Amino acid sequence: SQTIHQWPATLVQPVGSPLSLECTVEGTSNPNLYWYRQAAGRGLQLLFYSVGIGQISSEVPQNLSASRPQDRQFILSSKKLLLSDSGFYLCAWSYSSETQYFGPGTRLLVL
Amino acid sequence: GESVGLHLPTLSVQEGDNSIINCAYSNSASDYFIWYKQESGKGPQFIIDIRSNMDKRQGQRVTVLLNKTVKHLSLQIAATQPGDSAVYFCAESGGNKLVFGAGTILRVKS
Repeated sequence: SQTIHQWPATLVQPVGSPLSLECTVEGTSNPNLYWYRQAAGRGLQLLFYSVGIGQISSEVPQNLSASRPQDRQFILSSKKLLLSDSGFYLCAWSYSSETQYFGPGTRLLVL
Repeated sequence: GESVGLHLPTLSVQEGDNSIINCAYSNSASDYFIWYKQESGKGPQFIIDIRSNMDKRQGQRVTVLLNKTVKHLSLQIAATQPGDSAVYFCAESGGNKLVFGAGTILRVKS
């Protein structure tokens, strides 16, 4: 069966510091991978998605970037965090346009 | 762009009653729809899906209804239980992406 992992689970970072969140998927090959951000009590905002290694599509211009160095690894990064980057970050995988399966999320607080 | 919206931000139901969560979508070309349940502090979990060639699909205690004429999607939960308390999102498929609605909070009163 497939499993998706995210770490860290929680993170508190100062403004201006760098960020690296990691997502890995097990039990599948060549999945589509996604990064979402969710503000408290709000919906899901798609940030990036990837249909293959090195292929990244950005949905929202912002302070973040994504990379996919391996087939089942998706990384979300920032060089300098802003207060507005606080939120709940979710990684998901899918086969093509089918159902997306979400990881447990990373809660980021920028102070 | 196209978006998926929800009619009711919060729904409170008595334990044992049936719940109905509604969703309006705007892209008439969407052919695949999904309902997710998100408990506090966790990632969304798949509940049930439906393709546009169907009007109704049933799962365990849940039913999804699709009305393509008015572009409306609903999730029915039978005999609602305290464990059903969560935020429910509808989503529609758009290429390699899903477009999510804003979410409905379901509160179950004991």
